[in-house]
This record gives sequence, structure tokens and C-alpha cells, in this order.
Amino acid sequence: AQKVTQAQTEISVVEKEDVTLDCVYETRDTTYYLFWYKQPPSGELVFLIRRNSFDEQNEISGRYSWNFQKSTSSFNFTITASQVVDSAVYFCALSEATSNTGKLIFGQGTTLQVKP
Amino acid sequence: DAGVIQSPRHEVTEMGQEVTLRCKPISGHNSLFWYRQTMMRGLELLIYFNNNVPIDDSGMPEDRFSAKMPNASFSTLKIQPSEPRDSAVYFCASSFPRLEAFFGQGTRLTVV
Repeated sequence: AQKVTQAQTEISVVEKEDVTLDCVYETRDTTYYLFWYKQPPSGELVFLIRRNSFDEQNEISGRYSWNFQKSTSSFNFTITASQVVDSAVYFCALSEATSNTGKLIFGQGTTLQVKP
Repeated sequence: DAGVIQSPRHEVTEMGQEVTLRCKPISGHNSLFWYRQTMMRGLELLIYFNNNVPIDDSGMPEDRFSAKMPNASFSTLKIQPSEPRDSAVYFCASSFPRLEAFFGQGTRLTVV
């Protein structure tokens, strides 16, 4: 069965600190997709990144970076020099490639609070 | 592009009433998804459509829930009769095949 675990329920940091959000997944498939979404206080779900199981290259986008390690079934998300606007709930999600990639298994989410 | 559009944004209704949530997907996307978010269960998929055809409705909680997609630009999720435990945020999302899903702003449903 597929499962996504975000063990950190809540994280609180002070602005400019770096923070890493952990994501561990389970799947029997050899081909799959991983995602991160952000849910700010306004409530919408904002897509951040998609990664397929054959691409283990780390990715950096501005202050955001992602570390994908198949060996440990992890897809961690790091925010460098955090800002108050990064305060949100962050969801990691998994999708089988054989089905529709919008069919997502979400983790429970990590609430990030960045204090000024 | 306007993104996925959901209406209404907020709905308060009395137990036993019929509720209809609406969704307009991003133009050109051929897959549409309905998700529900609650504190207890998190984000869970209710049903999804490919090319207007329902593919997987295994997440629909019970017969009180139904969803339709009469054309490529419109879908509805109906609850009849509604119950207090249906209170949640309902999200609609759409996507191209094998690409990420984009979500609407959600409908916050409160059943009293």
C-alpha cells in the first residue's frame, strides 16, 4: 500500500533560519511521482515541485531545495533563510505513475511557523 | 489562465439539505479531481474523472455523495442529504496526464 509520512507535525523557527521538512514514503511501484504542496493561511493548495522516481537529482529553486533519496524513500524539503511569508502547512504527496498523477496520497502535513 | 475555479467559497447549510459544489477546471486539462480536507482525515481523494468519465469513485464516502462532469469545463459534487460530519473543505483540482494537479481555492462547507 502507498503511504506518506510527515513525522514533524509542527516546526517553529525564527526568520532567517534554515529549516528542513521531512517526508518518507512507501510504495511497491518502481515508477512513481512525488510532490510538495504549500497551504498558506488563506487555504489554497499551491504546487511547489514534482519529481519522478527516475530522477534523483536534487533541485534548487531560489531559497527552496529538495533532496530525493530512493535508498531511504525520502523526499525532504529545505527552506534556506526562512521568511515570515513561508509560514504555512506543507504537504508531501505520492502518486503512482500507472494511474493518474493527480491521484495523490498526501501526508498529514507539517505546519511551519516562521517568527520575525 | 484563471486557474481552477470553485464556487461557492463558503457554504453554510442545515442538516438534511442538498448541497452542490461547483468546479471549473483549467482549460485543456483532461483530468479532474475532488478532494476533501478535514482535521481528522487530512486530504483525501473522493473521485476523479478522465475526459469527463468517472474513473475512480472509491473515495466517495457513501451514497449521499455524487459527482458529475457533463462537459470538459464543469463538474459538480452533490451531497444529499447533508450531515454535520460532511463539514470540511472540498477542493477541486485538474491536470494534464502525468503532470502536477492544480487546485482551486476550495469550498468551506459547514453543515449545522
